[in-house]
Amino acid sequence: EAGVAQSPRYKIIEKRQSVAFWCNPISGHATLYWYQQILGQGPKLLIQFQNNGVVDDSQLPKDRFSAERLKGVDSTLKIQPAKLEDSAVYLCASSRTYGTSEEQYFGPGTRLTVT
Amino acid sequence: AQTVTQSQPEMSVQEAETVTLSCTYDTSESDYYLFWYKQPPSRQMILVIRQEAYKQQNATENRFSVNFQKAAKSFSLKISDSQLGDAAMYFCAYLGYGGSQGNLIFGKGTKLSVKP
Repeated sequence: EAGVAQSPRYKIIEKRQSVAFWCNPISGHATLYWYQQILGQGPKLLIQFQNNGVVDDSQLPKDRFSAERLKGVDSTLKIQPAKLEDSAVYLCASSRTYGTSEEQYFGPGTRLTVT
Repeated sequence: AQTVTQSQPEMSVQEAETVTLSCTYDTSESDYYLFWYKQPPSRQMILVIRQEAYKQQNATENRFSVNFQKAAKSFSLKISDSQLGDAAMYFCAYLGYGGSQGNLIFGKGTKLSVKP
């Protein structure tokens, strides 16, 4: 089966610009996650969707970050306006359903550089 | 709040030898899962091995095994017969039952190099 797809793979923008990332989860996976991985650190969960509803967005900086998952399939993460500290790899992951025991499958990530 | 600590930023092993990566965690929960993920350079993160806290038996997946010490809150990964393809960043992660299910909490990672 096809894995989690993300695009673009790389993006360079100037601070105060906006940017959007796209994720298509594994077919049939109900739960989708966005993680931020800053260089030298492990990934940190930003937001979690169950179908098209938000389960957890407690670590999402809502003044500049937004995410949606229309129709419960693919998802978009947006940053507006970007800051230098947003430079990171943004990982999307999906799991078959919602629950602690479910394995999360990760995409290749989008590497964002803010100059 | 739960935390995961990986105290070895980098490790090196000779091909065919055995290496152990360390991980400690802090939690007040009694039930949880622990994971080791592998992230090769420029490639996606994949699950290596998983351990349920309620199981006393250490998990094993081919050349990969863990030493789970619940009382000590320690979860180390042993890689036997190391291969060149094992070179990658390895992340230890915690997943609890409380709060947001699915909120993996990662350590900072250990970069493993394999020498031919």
